[in-house]
Amino acid sequence: AQSVAQPEDQVNVAEGNPLTVKCTYSVSGNPYLFWYVQYPNRGLQFLLKYITGDNLVKGSYGFEAEFNKSQTSFHLKKPSALVSDSALYFCAVSGNNRLAFGKGNQVVVIP
Amino acid sequence: GAVVSQHPSRVICKSGTSVKIECRSLDFQATTMFWYRQFPKQSLMLMATSNEGSKATYEQGVEKDKFLINHASLTLSTLTVTSAHPEDSSFYICSARRTGGVNTEAFFGQGTRLTVV
Repeated sequence: AQSVAQPEDQVNVAEGNPLTVKCTYSVSGNPYLFWYVQYPNRGLQFLLKYITGDNLVKGSYGFEAEFNKSQTSFHLKKPSALVSDSALYFCAVSGNNRLAFGKGNQVVVIP
Repeated sequence: GAVVSQHPSRVICKSGTSVKIECRSLDFQATTMFWYRQFPKQSLMLMATSNEGSKATYEQGVEKDKFLINHASLTLSTLTVTSAHPEDSSFYICSARRTGGVNTEAFFGQGTRLTVV
């Protein structure tokens, strides 16, 4: 079955610095990968996805993610973090009509 | 982006009663809807996947008789928590995926905070 792993519980970054949230995946067949963000007591908001094509995917709010097949990774990045980016970030993989999520990463952007 | 509406956003019920949560896709047809449960500061646990017009597929360990899922139309799925108990208190989130298969993103409802007293 497909799965994703988000190895870090929390990521702290100073405002203005680059932000990276890590994700590795395991899937048989072609990987369909997604990033979502969740603010407190809310549902998830879609940020971006990788289906095929360019390994660098650009998404909402200045986020991008790099698909690396050899490392089975799909790390989320933002060149310059904002305080408002503080939230819970989830990586997800789709397959067999299931959408499975990683455990999530709490991102804290320090002013 | 597409809009998924989940209702109610909060509900408090007495132990032993049943609670129904609705999930609607407002501006697209959702062939597949997912129901998740989220514990504080934890990931989303997939409970079941429902396809319009067919029985839901439940994840291992999820009681299908306790968490009844109905996906009667392409825009509406419901989750009914039957005979609720305090341990069922949680944040329930639905999501809907357009017709198009595994490479389409899912859109999420706002979530429902269920408290069983």
